[in-house]
Amino acid sequence: SQTIHQWPATLVQPVGSPLSLECTVEGTSNPNLYWYRQAAGRGLQLLFYSVGIGQISSEVPQNLSASRPQDRQFILSSKKLLLSDSGFYLCAWSLRDRGLPFFGQGTRLTVV
Amino acid sequence: KNQVEQSPQSLIILEGKNCTLQCNYTVSPFSNLRWYKQDTGRGPVSLTIMTFSENTKSNGRYTATLDADTKQSSLHITASQLSDSASYICVVSGYSGGGADGLTFGKGTHLIIQP
Repeated sequence: SQTIHQWPATLVQPVGSPLSLECTVEGTSNPNLYWYRQAAGRGLQLLFYSVGIGQISSEVPQNLSASRPQDRQFILSSKKLLLSDSGFYLCAWSLRDRGLPFFGQGTRLTVV
Repeated sequence: KNQVEQSPQSLIILEGKNCTLQCNYTVSPFSNLRWYKQDTGRGPVSLTIMTFSENTKSNGRYTATLDADTKQSSLHITASQLSDSASYICVVSGYSGGGADGLTFGKGTHLIIQP
């Protein structure tokens, strides 16, 4: 069966510091991979998605970037965090052709 | 514009009671619909997935219905338990529109079960 791992679960970082959140998927090949952000009381916002190694599409301009160095690894990064980057970040995967996603456990990021 | 509207926004019921959550969508053409349960501070977990041809699907005490003609779905929870307290999110997949992922998310219904 497929599993998705996302870490860390919580993170407190100072403004201006770098960020690296990692996500890996097991039990499947060539998945679509996603990073979402969820603000309190709001729906999930798609940040990045990837259909293959090195292929990243960004949905919204922001202070973040994503990379996919391996087929089942997806990384969310920032060179300098802003206060507005605080939020709940979710990694997800799906089968190809817009299958509905399976989510990781999420990372609560607080920028102070 | 593709949209998914969920109601109510929040709901409080007593333990043991039943409840029904609603999801109306305008995604077209429609592919499938999934209900997720999201516990506080955790990632959403899939409850049911429904395709165009399915009207009802159950998962334990959870029963989802889909009316593709009226573009409505409901999630019925029977004999609620304290552990049902969570946000319930409706997500619709379309062959076009929505985000680049082809998905349109509802904002969720926040359900609280009181003892």
